[in-house]
Amino acid sequence: KQEVTQIPAALSVPEGENLVLNCSFTDSAIYNLQWFRQDPGKGLTSLLLIQSSQREQTSGRLNASLDKSSGRSTLYIAASQPGDSATYLCAVLTQGGSEKLVFGKGTKLTVNP
Amino acid sequence: DARVTQTPRHKVTEMGQEVTMRCQPILGHNTVFWYRQTMMQGLELLAYFRNRAPLDDSGMPKDRFSAEMPDATLATLKIQPSEPRDSAVYFCASGWGGFASPLHFGNGTRLTVT
Repeated sequence: KQEVTQIPAALSVPEGENLVLNCSFTDSAIYNLQWFRQDPGKGLTSLLLIQSSQREQTSGRLNASLDKSSGRSTLYIAASQPGDSATYLCAVLTQGGSEKLVFGKGTKLTVNP
Repeated sequence: DARVTQTPRHKVTEMGQEVTMRCQPILGHNTVFWYRQTMMQGLELLAYFRNRAPLDDSGMPKDRFSAEMPDATLATLKIQPSEPRDSAVYFCASGWGGFASPLHFGNGTRLTVT
C-alpha cells in the first residue's frame, strides 16, 4: 500500500528565504507526482505535475524534483513571500490495479514579513 | 475563470439526519472525484466517476454513503444516516482524463454532525 509522508508538518521562515519542502513515498511504481497548495478554507490548487520519466518541473519561483528510485520529491521555493503561506501537499499516482492519487498530509508553511 | 462549485459550503446537522452535498464540475471535464479531508487521515478518496459512470467507490462506507452523477453538470454525495465521525471537509474535484492530468478542486463542504 502506497504511503506518502511529508516532513516537516509545519515550517516558519522569514520573508526572502529560499526553502525546501520534502515528500517521500514507499512504492516507486508511480505514474506521476503532483504538488498542490491549499489555502485556509479553500480547496487544493495544482502547482506542478512531474511525470515518472521526468526529473524536475519549474514554474516561476517553484521547482519540483523527483527521484523515483529513492522515493523522494522536493519542492523548492525561491525568495519566499508572505503570500506563499499555505499548506503544501504532494500526491502520487500509483501504478497497478486501480489508479489512485495518494496524498501526504501536507506541510504548513508560514512566511513572516 | 472556470471552477468547481460545491454547495453548501457549511452544513451542521444532527446524528441520524440525511446530508446531501452537491458539486458542479468544470464544463467539459469528464472525471469527477469526491475526497474527504480530516486532520487525522488527511485526504481520502471516496469515489471516482468517468463520463458519469462510477469507476471506484471502494473508499466509501457503502451502508451509509452514496455518490451519483445524474447528469454531466451535477455530482451528489449523500450520507444517510449521518454520524459524528462523518464530520470532515468534503471536496469535489474534476479533471480531464483521470488522475494523470491536474485536478481542479472545489472549495469544499464543511460538515459537522452533532
